Amino acid sequence: GIQVEQSPPDLILQEGANSTLRCNFSDSVNNLQWFHQNPWGQLINLFYIPSGTKQNGRLSATTVATERYSLLYISSSQTTDSGVYFCAVENSGGSNYKLTFGKGTLLTVNP
Amino acid sequence: SAVISQKPSRDICQRGTSLTIQCQVDSQVTMMFWYRQQPGQSLTLIATANQGSEATYESGFVIDKFPISRPNLTFSTLTVSNMSPEDSSIYLCSVEDWQTGDYEQYFGPGTRLTVT
Repeated sequence: GIQVEQSPPDLILQEGANSTLRCNFSDSVNNLQWFHQNPWGQLINLFYIPSGTKQNGRLSATTVATERYSLLYISSSQTTDSGVYFCAVENSGGSNYKLTFGKGTLLTVNP
Repeated sequence: SAVISQKPSRDICQRGTSLTIQCQVDSQVTMMFWYRQQPGQSLTLIATANQGSEATYESGFVIDKFPISRPNLTFSTLTVSNMSPEDSSIYLCSVEDWQTGDYEQYFGPGTRLTVT
C-alpha cells in the first residue's frame, strides 16, 4: 500500500516562530488532507489539498503531486497550535477511498 | 461540512465485555468509515460502513471482533467485542460526502475506550 512519511516527528518552538512540516508519499493520490489533533483527541480539518496551494490565516499548505510531497506552513505560532499534525492521503489507485495516515508531527509551542 | 457526533465520548470497560459506539451525522453522507487510534499512534482504518450491506474490513480486522451496522445514510455503529486491554484506543468515525464535489473526510470527536 501507499506509504506516508512525515517530518520532523517532533518540533518545539517559541511562540511567534514559523515552521514547516513535510509529508512525503509513495504513490499518486487523489486526496491529501492535513489535520490537527488537539490535546482532547479531536481531529480538526486544516486543508483538503490534493494539489496546489491554499492559505487560511496563519496556516498555508502546498502540495506538489508530481513530486509526491506536501508542506504545511505555520507562521507566528501560538501556544494553541500545539498538538499533533497529521497528513493523510487517499491513493488514486485504491478502491475504497480510505485515508492512509502518516505518523504525525508533535508540535509544542512554548510561551 | 457535516456535523458528526459519537456516543459514548469515553468509557472504561472490563475485559471480556463488549461496547457499542454510535456515530450520528446531521445530513445524509455517501461514505462512513471507522478508524482506531492506539495510544501514541496514528490512525488506522478498521472498515468502511456500507449502507444496507456488510461492512468492508481492512486487513487485520474481522467482523466477529468489530461488527458494524449502517442502517441508513446518517447513522452507524461499531461494536468492540470480547474486549482485552489491547483494545484500549480512541475509536473515530469519519464521513465523506461526494455531493459536495470533493472527497474530503471529516471526523467525529472520538470515543476513548479503556479496557481493564
